[in-house]
Amino acid sequence: EPEVTQTPSHQVTQMGQEVILRCVPISNHLYFYWYRQILGQKVEFLVSFYNNEISEKSEIFDDQFSVERPDGSNFTLKIRSTKLEDSAMYFCATQEWGSTDTQYFGPGTRLTVL
Amino acid sequence: EDQVTQSPEALRLQEGESSSLNCSYTVSGLRGLFWYRQDPGKGPEFLFTLYSAGEEKEKERLKATLTKKESFLHITAPKPEDSATYLCAVQASGANSKLTFGKGITLSVRP
Repeated sequence: EPEVTQTPSHQVTQMGQEVILRCVPISNHLYFYWYRQILGQKVEFLVSFYNNEISEKSEIFDDQFSVERPDGSNFTLKIRSTKLEDSAMYFCATQEWGSTDTQYFGPGTRLTVL
Repeated sequence: EDQVTQSPEALRLQEGESSSLNCSYTVSGLRGLFWYRQDPGKGPEFLFTLYSAGEEKEKERLKATLTKKESFLHITAPKPEDSATYLCAVQASGANSKLTFGKGITLSVRP
């Protein structure tokens, strides 16, 4: 069964450093999302991406965040200058559209900012 | 603003003891209501999508139902392997497709 994959599984970084989180979507899916989950809190929407552009973004997704699909397979989330409060699990989700509205989630990247 | 409230926060059951998990929602036009299972340190795993009031879906020991204001996830004769956090999320109608999640219900099933 096709799966969403994410790398790395765990990233530790110093405050102020840039990080790039990577996702490989399910192959025939066209819609891509990033969500985050701070420890003990609910899963929160960050951004949606379709046809090589952002469809919607939340208040969390400020100028420090960016997304791109650099090579037609990977989907990346970049945080330019990490803050302590960026520590969270980051989940990529992908959606086929048309036949189903279901978003399928990857296993997540645990980001720890020191 | 779309809102999802799940109750109780945590539920402890004896193996075989059936129960229901509640998800109340407010949304500006419901496109879909989703149930996911989340194991510790893992991503949400899709269980069900419900689209309209009165709809029901079943998978093994789980059955999801939907009304205009809430959804229930019924667990019949649970087993220890059903222990997980169960997440409810709504998707509003319209161009945008983000999911709005509740905090989840942590279910523990004792053997």
